[in-house]
Amino acid sequence: DAGITQSPRHKVTETGTPVTLRCHQTENHRYMYWYRQDPGHGLRLIHYSYGVKDTDKGEVSDGYSVSRSKTEDFLLTLESATSSQTSVYFCAISESRLAGGEQFFGPGTRLTVL
Amino acid sequence: AQKVTQAQTEISVVEKEDVTLDCVYETRDTTYYLFWYKQPPSGELVFLIRRNSFDEQNEISGRYSWNFQKSTSSFNFTITASQVVDSAVYFCALSSTGTASKLTFGTGTRLQVTL
Repeated sequence: DAGITQSPRHKVTETGTPVTLRCHQTENHRYMYWYRQDPGHGLRLIHYSYGVKDTDKGEVSDGYSVSRSKTEDFLLTLESATSSQTSVYFCAISESRLAGGEQFFGPGTRLTVL
Repeated sequence: AQKVTQAQTEISVVEKEDVTLDCVYETRDTTYYLFWYKQPPSGELVFLIRRNSFDEQNEISGRYSWNFQKSTSSFNFTITASQVVDSAVYFCALSSTGTASKLTFGTGTRLQVTL
């Protein structure tokens, strides 16, 4: 199994509070991704990173920011959490820059915003 | 824009039945990749298969088989002689040429296999 951990695994927070989710990998893969999973939507890409300090937006990036200061860590921040951001968040990694690179997923973080 | 459609929201079968999960995709790219992932009740995402747009050969892996047809933009997944352990949500996904291998997922099909 690819070495990907996410922390925390579960979090309950209140509307308006900042939240940071962490993804940590031990595979030294260049590409990292954040997805959210919601019923009826499958998984949707929030942000991704193609190297240290190199990030870009995905399909549903509004309300989220990311940072990557080290190869192994990719942080997802909700500056002011809203109930619509209640979701399961998955981090993924890939070593290939080309389409078709297999992505390995972390165990997920279940976030509830009250 | 890319799109993946899994029209079957939920399927229930009795153990040992064969079941096919449908996946239809849309892309304007000529080079692309298709994936299937399995999400068991424990929640993790498990990679099952990757297929590129230039390889239309069907693939079989044990009880699993995949049928890729570019003419109908479909990449269907068949489980033969289903087992209770096959109960999961199955996602079809697509990535096209360009950087970073971004995946576009379908909405998933929940498969329930009962005794």
